[in-house]
Amino acid sequence: GAGVSQSPSNKVTEKGKDVELRCDPISGHTALYWYRQRLGQGLEFLIYFQGNSAPDKSGLPSDRFSAERTGESVSTLTIQRTQQEDSAVYLCASSYRVYSNQPQHFGDGTRLSIL
Amino acid sequence: SQELEQSPQSLIVQEGKNLTINCTSSKTLYGLYWYKQKYGEGLIFLMMLQKGGEEKSHEKITAKLDEKKQQSSLHITASQPSHAGIYLCGADPYYGGSQGNLIFGKGTKLSVKP
Repeated sequence: GAGVSQSPSNKVTEKGKDVELRCDPISGHTALYWYRQRLGQGLEFLIYFQGNSAPDKSGLPSDRFSAERTGESVSTLTIQRTQQEDSAVYLCASSYRVYSNQPQHFGDGTRLSIL
Repeated sequence: SQELEQSPQSLIVQEGKNLTINCTSSKTLYGLYWYKQKYGEGLIFLMMLQKGGEEKSHEKITAKLDEKKQQSSLHITASQPSHAGIYLCGADPYYGGSQGNLIFGKGTKLSVKP
């Protein structure tokens, strides 16, 4: 597609449930990033993938968070046993590649609300 | 760790007025990115600055990176309602532009009164 696509756009779930968020990057972009944006806060880096290299997971806040990416295509971010503090907008971005000095392009995000 | 502070936090201007948003870093900026975000939408890339003293313009928006590479400003000339949104600065914490974990400021919310 023309831009980064994320689904669902909104997700409301009960505390303790697992959720899965999806990101489809721009075609040809080998780098994919996940960020979290809590209300009134800046963007927090979560994880990035570069091609088939091991992902940089340094931003994942707990072991309840995990992400996968198959090759250079779709990525899923999974949050297990959701807590209310997980409520946020989860943004995905992609870029040509890491170390390329090319900007990251963002999707519209998934707004996650934990009841 | 590097932190980015944006000022002001929010700004209300009359249509047609000029305005400036600042982004200050606690450490040297190896890459500075300006994005705009509208409610419910993702970030729209505006400009990227890398060299000390660099200045870029697009339509009525000009971004500058100071010589010491620790502060950037975003200037909008003759503001329009379409400029309203949240402006975010992001920085590459690593020399050479790793484009990995960008660090972002908390944003400046701009409202433009018609």
